[in-house]
Amino acid sequence: QVTLKESGPVLVKPTETLTLTCTVSGFSLRSARMGVSWIRQPPGKAPEWLAHIFSNDEKSYSTSLKSRLSISRDTSKSQVVLHMTNMNPVDTATYYCARVSSTLAFDYWGQGTLVTVSS
Amino acid sequence: DIVMTQAPLSLSVTPGQSASISCKSSQSLLHSDGRTYLYWYLQKPGQSPQLLFYEISSRFSGVPDRFSGSGSGTDFTLKISRVEAEDVGVYYCMQGIHLFSFGPGTKVDIK
Repeated sequence: QVTLKESGPVLVKPTETLTLTCTVSGFSLRSARMGVSWIRQPPGKAPEWLAHIFSNDEKSYSTSLKSRLSISRDTSKSQVVLHMTNMNPVDTATYYCARVSSTLAFDYWGQGTLVTVSS
Repeated sequence: DIVMTQAPLSLSVTPGQSASISCKSSQSLLHSDGRTYLYWYLQKPGQSPQLLFYEISSRFSGVPDRFSGSGSGTDFTLKISRVEAEDVGVYYCMQGIHLFSFGPGTKVDIK
């Protein structure tokens, strides 16, 4: 059974760095042609893709947020970590991680974690 | 970046009737590998998005055959025949040919 679970702070202050962890089970982060993406969704808005890490450790980032994002993985812990710097109230959103299949579909999603940016 | 648009943005449907959602991309989603990287997701109230279709029309596991996906290039359609109460939520299309981007969503509710 494939599961993903996001963890991290519920509240961050403006200018701080957000660190989120996605812990996966039911598949390996080394599985060929699999990957994990981070997606966020501000309240009442559409999802926005942020970053992706492939099974070969190749990474890709949203064009508009690239300068603020960093994605990495710890295969021994089955975890994918996202760092987002210089947080702003407009970054308030539910942050999801999702497994990316060999067809590039986000086939399994975590439950999401709501992050509020406020002083 | 590729921009995805959807129409309509909201839809109210009588149970048992059909519904159709259009999705357009600002660039062709047909890759040189022959695949078209267009996906459909449904986000039910209070839940995470769930995959319905990949590569236009390949149904994900457990998706009822009342749902169908079609289209090519830059124009795509999701059709729900015989809408049921459990189909309410927001439907998103997404492209995966150049990074990933979602459409604005189409909210479907029951009359």
